[in-house]
Amino acid sequence: KNQVEQSPQSLIILEGKNCTLQCNYTVSPFSNLRWYKQDTGRGPVSLTIMTFSENTKSNGRYTATLDADTKQSSLHITASQLSDSASYICVVSARLTGGGNKLTFGTGTQLKVEL
Amino acid sequence: DTAVSQTPKYLVTQMGNDKSIKCEQNLGHDTMYWYKQDSKKFLKIMFSYNNKELIINETVPNRFSPKSPDKAHLNLHINSLELGDSAVYFCASSQDRSGRTITDTQYFGPGTRLTVL
Repeated sequence: KNQVEQSPQSLIILEGKNCTLQCNYTVSPFSNLRWYKQDTGRGPVSLTIMTFSENTKSNGRYTATLDADTKQSSLHITASQLSDSASYICVVSARLTGGGNKLTFGTGTQLKVEL
Repeated sequence: DTAVSQTPKYLVTQMGNDKSIKCEQNLGHDTMYWYKQDSKKFLKIMFSYNNKELIINETVPNRFSPKSPDKAHLNLHINSLELGDSAVYFCASSQDRSGRTITDTQYFGPGTRLTVL
């Protein structure tokens, strides 16, 4: 069964600090891994997309890593800002027979950045 | 202008009623989706349409029926609403002309919070 697990479930950090969110998955056959940011009351917004051959991808202060061997990914946030407070969702895509992808969503890590 | 829009934003209704949620995207995308996010914030895909053709139909009660009049619209009609249908429903779209693009980015709408009393 395809599953995506994220940790921690929630996290509180002080503004300016760094943090790392974790994602473990058992999705097969693996196609790609995405990190989304979802602000309260809004739809998810894509941060990064990584395929099997990519180990690291950055988007501003967000850096995602992927270890396809251990089926783990992390999202590192540098110099956090109050606006980083949101839910961060790891999404893993499985390749469907005949083409197309099926996405499996993690339950997210709720990040709160405080002064 | 909003890329993916949904109406209504909030929907409160009684059990047993029939309701519809509308979705429109002005990005020129070929593929549209409906997701359900439950109280634990878990997102799960319900349907996917590529150029008005059903691609993905997850194990969803047949009370839920998507309708795509054109590739810019994907509406969700729900019959005989039940308490367990209460959730936030997200519409999304992606460019994915063939339905086979590996790294196609999905753009989500703002969500419709459905409450069934």
